[in-house]
Amino acid sequence: QKEVEQDPGPLSVPEGAIVSLNCTYSNSAFQYFMWYRQYSRKGPELLMYTYSSGNKEDGRFTAQVDKSSKYISLFIRDSQPSDSATYLCAMTGVLGSSNTGKLIFGQGTTLQVKP
Amino acid sequence: DGGITQSPKYLFRKEGQNVTLSCEQNLNHDAMYWYRQDPGQGLRLIYYSQIVNDFQKGDIAEGYSVSREKKESFPLTVTSAQKNPTAFYLCASSIGGANYGYTFGSGTRLTVV
Repeated sequence: QKEVEQDPGPLSVPEGAIVSLNCTYSNSAFQYFMWYRQYSRKGPELLMYTYSSGNKEDGRFTAQVDKSSKYISLFIRDSQPSDSATYLCAMTGVLGSSNTGKLIFGQGTTLQVKP
Repeated sequence: DGGITQSPKYLFRKEGQNVTLSCEQNLNHDAMYWYRQDPGQGLRLIYYSQIVNDFQKGDIAEGYSVSREKKESFPLTVTSAQKNPTAFYLCASSIGGANYGYTFGSGTRLTVV
């Protein structure tokens, strides 16, 4: 079983839809959670960052972390064709825990937003 | 502007050749990483270095080698022992550890011809 599981999709939605992207994980030591966006043939860029549990909002994007369920989500409101990309979840633990110094990535979900 | 520069953007390798991918950063980051990305397999860690003159194997280090002689530079050599090297290679760096995430380069696409 992988430490981080992410549905690879592909996910296709019409413009304006609400998109929900999700990851589950198994390591209870994970405390830092991130979402990266990767356009085709480019490097990933950090989109959202959350420490521990809770919600974080930035414009049309909302990141949620539920540590009790070991589940994180990224919501995109009013999706645009420019949101078409691969979205990767990533996480790491506190100092002294396993995987310190390394991000553990999900497989990535490919999203297409159709005009 | 600070960032990570990977070169070349595209690289072609003949069977039996060693090739070196360049990664340079001017962010003053201590840690640097190399990942391989294949369709449907996400990012797989090849090597990482948290300090100059020290590096550790990742999950798929066989057939690859690295050096970290300078803080700014972390080149990756794909040796002839790597039997399936065609992939997209990504270099990343972080301030120290991974708690605040990585900054990635724009990648090198390696193809065996």
